[in-house]
Amino acid sequence: DIQMTQTPSSMPASLGERVTISCRASQGISNYLNWYQQKPDGTIKPLIYYTSNLQSGVPSRFSGSGSGTDYSLTISSLEPEDFAMYYCQQYDSSPWTFGGGTKLELK
Amino acid sequence: QIQLVQSGPELKKPGESVKISCKASGYTFTDYAMHWVKQAPGKGLKWMGWINTYTGKPTYADDFKGRFVFSLEASASTANLQISNLKNEDTATYFCARWPLGAAFDYWGQGVMVTVSS
Repeated sequence: DIQMTQTPSSMPASLGERVTISCRASQGISNYLNWYQQKPDGTIKPLIYYTSNLQSGVPSRFSGSGSGTDYSLTISSLEPEDFAMYYCQQYDSSPWTFGGGTKLELK
Repeated sequence: QIQLVQSGPELKKPGESVKISCKASGYTFTDYAMHWVKQAPGKGLKWMGWINTYTGKPTYADDFKGRFVFSLEASASTANLQISNLKNEDTATYFCARWPLGAAFDYWGQGVMVTVSS
């Protein structure tokens, strides 16, 4: 199974700050990497698909990049609604696997 | 609008079975695969597998082979997850999620909390 290591596990940040969350795969995943946001009420929303493609309706302050085994999600300027959990997910090979999550907290 | 609406919370005893549903609306049900994801309390997301909504063929992750069954009621645009011989470690929220080929899970159900306790 491909292990997805997400860092950091938690991140205190301020409104307006630029933040980056990293995700490292245990082997190359050919850009088959998605990002999701989960709010405290449990609602899950897709943000980025196939490494760098913005999901419809997602604000442009979200962006994704990476290749090979290393991927990242960047939020250019934090808004109040961005404080949530974030997960990466690979779909290069079965079983599809998620990173452990990053909790973005208000500093 | 596209929605995945799941059934309500369940409280079960060890050894019992549970069946949870995921009703899709707003799109052609058989055009998209349906995946299932588990989230134990305070933990991350774990992919369980998926069902081909056109053929009905299920595929299970190794950890979910044996006691877990994905099924369809295609005429009702509904995907189901049945768990038999429930164990304490099955206590979790179970999500269904629609998958457009090659992309991210674009619509998720609200999740069903299953609690297994004697």
